[in-house]
Amino acid sequence: QVQLQQWGAGLLKPSETLSLTCGVYGGSFSAYYCSWIRQPPGKGLEWIGEINHRGTTNYNPSLKSRVTISLDTSKNHVSLNMSSVTAADTAVYYCTYSGSYYPDYWGQGTLVTVSS
Amino acid sequence: EIVLAQSPDFQSVTPKEKVTITCRASQSIGSSLHWYQQKPDQSPKLLIKYASQSISGVPSRFSGSGSGTDFTLTINGLEAEDAAAYYCHQSSSLPYSFGQGTKLEIK
Repeated sequence: QVQLQQWGAGLLKPSETLSLTCGVYGGSFSAYYCSWIRQPPGKGLEWIGEINHRGTTNYNPSLKSRVTISLDTSKNHVSLNMSSVTAADTAVYYCTYSGSYYPDYWGQGTLVTVSS
Repeated sequence: EIVLAQSPDFQSVTPKEKVTITCRASQSIGSSLHWYQQKPDQSPKLLIKYASQSISGVPSRFSGSGSGTDFTLTINGLEAEDAAAYYCHQSSSLPYSFGQGTKLEIK
């Protein structure tokens, strides 16, 4: 059974860098995709980007200049970094894991609040 | 970028009722359309993949149909536990995107 466990700072000041990590446990796909998706409070889902088992990344153009997704295969960790955050980046951030192009397994979500 | 438009945004329904949620894509996405259910304070859960393919463990009252630009999620015989927000998601073209969501309230 695949389990995703997320962690990272939940309170940031404007202009700081968001940093979240997701541990993927029990994953068995030889070829896989890990993505990050966010959800502002009371709103819908936004796709941030993804990384595959080869380390190839794709990003949402609206966030691309500020976002980096990386993979540590030795630890089964996927990380999200987002620079220069503002209040508009306040959201629950989810990591996901899948053997295909759609998110299959989801982490528990991490609320990140940006406030001065 | 492909925009997904869901309708309705909100629906109040009674148990045992049949519910239909639609998702329209701004351009053809073949069958690369997936449906998710999100209950309050929970992570989204995959309901249907590739427009109409069922997911193990998901009740059979959930079904999907469509291709190209028009898709439908149907719930046959609504149950109280189906109160949730439902989202469609396309994986046909980067950047991937979600519909704005449909909130189902059980009367």
